[in-house]
Amino acid sequence: GENVEQHPSTLSVQEGDSAVIKCTYSDSASNYFPWYKQELGKRPQLIIDIRSNVGEKKDQRIAVTLNKTAKHFSLHITETQPEDSAVYFCAATGTASKLTFGTGTRLQVTL
Amino acid sequence: NAGVMQNPRHLVRRRGQEARLRCSPMKGHSHVYWYRQLPEEGLKFMVYLQKENIIDESGMPKERFSAEFPKEGPSILRIQQVVRGDSAAYFCASSHPYNEQFFGPGTRLTVL
Repeated sequence: GENVEQHPSTLSVQEGDSAVIKCTYSDSASNYFPWYKQELGKRPQLIIDIRSNVGEKKDQRIAVTLNKTAKHFSLHITETQPEDSAVYFCAATGTASKLTFGTGTRLQVTL
Repeated sequence: NAGVMQNPRHLVRRRGQEARLRCSPMKGHSHVYWYRQLPEEGLKFMVYLQKENIIDESGMPKERFSAEFPKEGPSILRIQQVVRGDSAAYFCASSHPYNEQFFGPGTRLTVL
């Protein structure tokens, strides 16, 4: 089955700096890669996703890149703000529809 | 436009009791997924259902756990004879076929 690895497990950046979180996946049949943000005690919220026919997607301060050959994808957050502090999860899925999640990255944005 | 609904939000059970968790998908969504999140860990897939059908239960423990999504009413995740290790947050998500999954607020199960 699919296996998703995520790094780093914790990330601390200063407000205004950029943050990058990286994930690798094992199943070459995977074709959909969402990113979720989870605040403490809350539900995971979809923040951006990318499909395998696209190499990059951007939504304001958030962007995701996908390298199908290397089987890795990354989340980029620019101009970080304190409200970006949360745990971020990457995930992958193919035709099976079930999401396989990474282990999460705890992002802390300091003033 | 209500999102995914789950109840109860918090559930306390003693060892050996049964836990029933309910999930109502977003309006128009026909696919429901259940995930479990242990404290300080990621989400693990449990089961994928469509109305009256279990599509994939590869993540469900073989014993004590069952799920259903009847023609009418919410999806139910049932845990029989709960043990302390079942304490976790249980999230359901819903989607259109092969589309984005949106999560409910979760049910936090505590087994005493």
